Amino acid sequence: KQEVTQIPAALSVPEGENLVLNCSFTDSAIYNLQWFRQDPGKGLTSLLLIQSSQREQTSGRLNASLDKSSGRSTLYIAASQPGDSATYLCAVTGGGNKLTFGTGTQLKVEL
Amino acid sequence: DAGVTQSPTHLIKTRGQQVTLRCSPKSGHDTVSWYQQALGQGPQFIFQYYEEEERQRGNFPDRFSGHQFPNYSSELNVNALLLGDSALYLCASSLAGRGSSYGYTFGSGTRLTVV
Repeated sequence: KQEVTQIPAALSVPEGENLVLNCSFTDSAIYNLQWFRQDPGKGLTSLLLIQSSQREQTSGRLNASLDKSSGRSTLYIAASQPGDSATYLCAVTGGGNKLTFGTGTQLKVEL
Repeated sequence: DAGVTQSPTHLIKTRGQQVTLRCSPKSGHDTVSWYQQALGQGPQFIFQYYEEEERQRGNFPDRFSGHQFPNYSSELNVNALLLGDSALYLCASSLAGRGSSYGYTFGSGTRLTVV
């Protein structure tokens, strides 16, 4: 059974700091890994999708890496802003095309 | 290009009642998946519909059932509501066989409160 873990559970940083969120998964037989952002009480917004054959994806200030063999992914956020405050979820797609999620990292960027 | 739309946005029900949640997938998508997200937790997979049939099911009791219509929209039904069913219910759409390639698009969710 696939299990996804995200560390840390919560993170508070000052504005402008670069930060890294971690995600690990137990079964390396995945099709892809997707990072989502979730604002309080809202739905999920897809940030980055990394295919199993890829090593990283970039979008603006965000960079996600994937090491499938070790079961790890990181989401790097450069020059953090208060608007980045949200919960960040990673999810892997495995057999059956369903997503298995971690419990998320709650990020707060302070002025 | 419309994204995934869910209705209603909020709902309050009494224990033992039944509820129906609705989802319209993103234009061009034909597969709909439902997830339950309890407070402070990651979403949990309920089931997935494609070609009007349930293709996969997570670890949820039979009280949870669904339907997909010819226009690809979907309903989630929950019978005999329990307090523990209170959660945010998320709908995700994808293209059949391509969820692994193009990922999933989520709606804003329905917040269900059971009292």
